[in-house]
Amino acid sequence: SAVISQKPSRDICQRGTSLTIQCQVDSQVTMMFWYRQQPGQSLTLIATANQGSEATYESGFVIDKFPISRPNLTFSTLTVSNMSPEDSSIYLCSATGVPSRNIQYFGAGTRLSVL
Amino acid sequence: QKEVEQNSGPLSVPEGAIASLNCTYSDRGSQSFFWYRQYSGKSPELIMFIYSNGDKEDGRFTAQLNKASQYVSLLIRDSQPSDSATYLCAVGKGSSNTGKLIFGQGTTLQVKP
Repeated sequence: SAVISQKPSRDICQRGTSLTIQCQVDSQVTMMFWYRQQPGQSLTLIATANQGSEATYESGFVIDKFPISRPNLTFSTLTVSNMSPEDSSIYLCSATGVPSRNIQYFGAGTRLSVL
Repeated sequence: QKEVEQNSGPLSVPEGAIASLNCTYSDRGSQSFFWYRQYSGKSPELIMFIYSNGDKEDGRFTAQLNKASQYVSLLIRDSQPSDSATYLCAVGKGSSNTGKLIFGQGTTLQVKP
């Protein structure tokens, strides 16, 4: 399978600031997704990152809080805006089409702590 | 009712035993089903996927799907301490190929030497 790289791997941020997380895949993919995994919880889908157009957000997630870009097939960013301690979580990028378009593989995740 | 339900466990089995992990889902239109393994502090790792009713075997792992009962399971034979992890059941959302997955809350498996 392809390698999915995320950075930063972890960060500690102050309340009210924003953090941009990058996700890079080393081969062309079909779809890219962003998930949140809160402490002790399972994965919740934030949005589908669409190449060259606005992301498709799931219920409970909005563009102003989690702006997402995907300028090309292999790269996407997620920004966590105006952070509060409740945003402390692991954020995961995933991609399909590597090699099967139906199967998602995950990056290593970004562990975010907001003080 | 949650869209994908799993018993959170922990499920404790002795080394060498069969571990049985279960998952139910609510969307009858779902067509794809996945099992991921997640070690503490790591990202999910795909171990099995299944699309058709019946059993699918890969090494020590067998996935079982029963769409009529909306039930999917994972059997791990000859369990090893290295199998100790959280196992996440994921279901493809809806019948269309959006690629979206809905995850269960995960079952923690402990394999005791």
